[in-house]
Amino acid sequence: DAGVTQSPTHLIKTRGQQVTLRCSPKSGHDTVSWYQQALGQGPQFIFQYYEEEERQRGNFPDRFSGHQFPNYSSELNVNALLLGDSALYLCASSPGLVNTDTQYFGPGTRLTVL
Amino acid sequence: GESVGLHLPTLSVQEGDNSIINCAYSNSASDYFIWYKQESGKGPQFIIDIRSNMDKRQGQRVTVLLNKTVKHLSLQIAATQPGDSAVYFCAENPYTGFQKLVFGTGTRLLVSP
Repeated sequence: DAGVTQSPTHLIKTRGQQVTLRCSPKSGHDTVSWYQQALGQGPQFIFQYYEEEERQRGNFPDRFSGHQFPNYSSELNVNALLLGDSALYLCASSPGLVNTDTQYFGPGTRLTVL
Repeated sequence: GESVGLHLPTLSVQEGDNSIINCAYSNSASDYFIWYKQESGKGPQFIIDIRSNMDKRQGQRVTVLLNKTVKHLSLQIAATQPGDSAVYFCAENPYTGFQKLVFGTGTRLLVSP
């Protein structure tokens, strides 16, 4: 049973560029959340997708957007990249929206903005 | 506002010792708590969770204790092994009806052979 997968594993971009990160949820999961983890810190919630709609959003600007596809996979897009966007981007999936549904994380995508 | 914090940023133990990692949370409305383990270069790995209607929950070599009176959470690891070396995060979900985990900054556990 495949867990949460993310691609690519590493990415280097320059300021002002745009980036798209991809996530496939764990089998049987229909809810995908994205988190940003700066070096030495805990993950911070970006947003969550369920039934192809953004359901909840954290304190991130509109430069961060996403999408969920009918097969439950998801993309995170970041426009107009800033140096401060350099971080590990984590995708987590869960079997539903209930707050006690466990979220399982993927390995992350390491984004470096130069 | 809500916050989840850890008392000790680094914990060093000897192999075979028992480890205790502590966590304080500030939102008394939180009803679900999770401990994650994160090894270098990897995503957080689920260890154990506990709901607010419980005080204690045990897994394989791990125990989570919840003290709602003082808003304190702890993770106990029995017979700590070198493979337990990692950063440990506690996370809470204070939001009824949807998911939004709030993480602390983590505690690094170093296990010496």
